[in-house]
Amino acid sequence: DSGVTQTPKHLITATGQRVTLRCSPRSGDLSVYWYQQSLDQGLQFLIQYYNGEERAKGNILERFSAQQFPDLHSELNLSSLELGDSALYFCASSVDWVQAGELFFGEGSRLTVL
Amino acid sequence: KNQVEQSPQSLIILEGKNCTLQCNYTVSPFSNLRWYKQDTGRGPVSLTIMTFSENTKSNGRYTATLDADTKQSSLHITASQLSDSASYICVVSVRSGGSNYKLTFGKGTLLTVNP
Repeated sequence: DSGVTQTPKHLITATGQRVTLRCSPRSGDLSVYWYQQSLDQGLQFLIQYYNGEERAKGNILERFSAQQFPDLHSELNLSSLELGDSALYFCASSVDWVQAGELFFGEGSRLTVL
Repeated sequence: KNQVEQSPQSLIILEGKNCTLQCNYTVSPFSNLRWYKQDTGRGPVSLTIMTFSENTKSNGRYTATLDADTKQSSLHITASQLSDSASYICVVSVRSGGSNYKLTFGKGTLLTVNP
């Protein structure tokens, strides 16, 4: 158990809808990262938050947004969903913001868009 | 072209056998290289992290090597077990400016261990 908690584990929705994925980092970790993993693709970095502030941005679509709350949990909002958004979405956390140290991943949220 | 290339894409071996997975990278400046194990449908779990000065690092039956000159790393699995069936992901951390770092992920090698 990595200590990173993601909910929901599975989510099925329709095109055009909006969903919210939630992540609670390990106790003491201030950084939260979001990754997307599509079928047969590697992990794609979406966005990083550190202590409530956006720290780094990757290949995140404009339809997607995220935030980190004062209690350090984070939410990833996906809107106007398309079939291609079907993927595993992973959250990871770390103590620092530099991405040089250990990352701990959650078990992921599997999103299916029909 | 992906800056972190892993080979083979997939591998099937018999239980008890050894195997070696390869990772070649072109990204720089290099900070560290990590190997993760990802069971199907689960989150990646760290196996090893190696810095520039480390040539080899072991974690039980897993041994990672690093040649920073040739930008190559390998992950050797000894006496494989059925539970080793997973995707193995190579991740390279590079300095992206100031004290920032960026992680570049390989697509992984899918290992299947058969009885």
